[in-house]
Amino acid sequence: EAGVAQSPRYKIIEKRQSVAFWCNPISGHATLYWYQQILGQGPKLLIQFQNNGVVDDSQLPKDRFSAERLKGVDSTLKIQPAKLEDSAVYLCASSLGSLNTEAFFGQGTRLTVV
Amino acid sequence: QQQVKQSPQSLIVQKGGISIINCAYENTAFDYFPWYQQFPGKGPALLIAIRPDVSEKKEGRFTISFNKSAKQFSLHIMDSQPGDSATYFCAAAGTYKYIFGTGTRLKVLA
Repeated sequence: EAGVAQSPRYKIIEKRQSVAFWCNPISGHATLYWYQQILGQGPKLLIQFQNNGVVDDSQLPKDRFSAERLKGVDSTLKIQPAKLEDSAVYLCASSLGSLNTEAFFGQGTRLTVV
Repeated sequence: QQQVKQSPQSLIVQKGGISIINCAYENTAFDYFPWYQQFPGKGPALLIAIRPDVSEKKEGRFTISFNKSAKQFSLHIMDSQPGDSATYFCAAAGTYKYIFGTGTRLKVLA
């Protein structure tokens, strides 16, 4: 079974620039999560999709972050404009359904804002 | 209400020793309590998980102890090995919530 795919693996941008991350979840997984993991900290949930609908985006800084999940499959997370404090690893995860079960994580995208 | 508090922040254990990591949650609506293991440069991977209808679950050298009344759960790693050196995260999940603890960096000395 293929895992959660994320791209790019690394990205370096200047502050105030924009950036986008892509995630392809495991086939058949209805739930998709985006997490922000700052160095030395635990993953912080940014947004959760159930199929192509948003079920929780309470921690998403909506003035600069946006996310979408087209056709309930792939998802993109965008930051515009980026700030220095956005430097982190952005992890995408997926799980089978709405029942709370194992979340499968991708390797993440390491973003450095300079 | 949505926090999951994890301790200790870091832990050093001799090979063959027992590693113990603790977590506490606040929201009684959580009904799934997994532990994830993360190696550098990798995403977290599920190690073991428990639901609140049982007080203990064991898989090989890994055991979760769950205390529903105290809203606490812990991970015990028996016979710790250098290959167990990683960062461990507890999590608590409920309807439309999947919240992680702050992590424990475990180092097992050979």
